[in-house]
Amino acid sequence: DAKTTQPTSMDCAEGRAANLPCNHSTISGNEYVYWYRQIHSQGPQYIIHGLKNNETNEMASLIITEDRKSSTLILPHATLRDTAVYYCIVRPVRSGNTGKLIFGQGTTLQVKP
Amino acid sequence: DAGVTQSPTHLIKTRGQQVTLRCSPKSGHDTVSWYQQALGQGPQFIFQYYEEEERQRGNFPDRFSGHQFPNYSSELNVNALLLGDSALYLCASSSATDTGELFFGEGSRLTVL
Repeated sequence: DAKTTQPTSMDCAEGRAANLPCNHSTISGNEYVYWYRQIHSQGPQYIIHGLKNNETNEMASLIITEDRKSSTLILPHATLRDTAVYYCIVRPVRSGNTGKLIFGQGTTLQVKP
Repeated sequence: DAGVTQSPTHLIKTRGQQVTLRCSPKSGHDTVSWYQQALGQGPQFIFQYYEEEERQRGNFPDRFSGHQFPNYSSELNVNALLLGDSALYLCASSSATDTGELFFGEGSRLTVL
C-alpha cells in the first residue's frame, strides 16, 4: 500500500500557483519524498525529490515540514500543460538499483483558463 | 539523448495467448523496472532487472516473466493472457550508481479480448 495520502482532485487557475499537498505521517528517516506526474496517456515524469530541506528546480518547488510528516509541491505559475495526475511517493535513500515505486491514486490537477 | 523507448505502442491479443513487450533504457542506465497500469489506477510494480537478474518482484503471478540483455535492454513476457491483463505496461530505467530517479517510457497499451 502507498504510504502517502493526497487529495483526489484539485483545480487551479492558469497563471496562478498550484499547491499540491501530501501526507506521509509514517515516513522513515531514510526515506525521500518524490513527486512524479503523469499527463494523459503518457509515462510518469519525474518532477522533484527531497529528504528534509526545501528543494527547487526548473519545474517546481518542494516544501517539506520540519517533522517530515507532510509536504507540498508548488508549481509557481501553472499552465494548461500542467494538467495531469500528480503522485507523491516515499522511497528509501540509496535506492541504487531499486526500481520499486509505490504509486497511490495521486491528485488530478485541472488547470483552467 | 534517447530516453526510454518501448515497443510496440499498442497491441491486441486474445485470451490464452502470450505477449512480449520490449524496452530500451535511457543511455547510461543499467536498471530496468516494469509496471502495469490499469485504467484509472496508479502504476503497479511488476519487477526490476539489474545485471541480467530479477532483483525485486511485486505481487504478480509467474505468468509474468522478464529478461534483461547484456546491453541493458529488457523484455516483459506474459503467458496465458487474461482479460484483466489489459493495461498500459510501463518500463522505467535508472542507474544503480545514481540517486535512483526513474525515467519512464511512454508505455505499451495491451488489450486482451
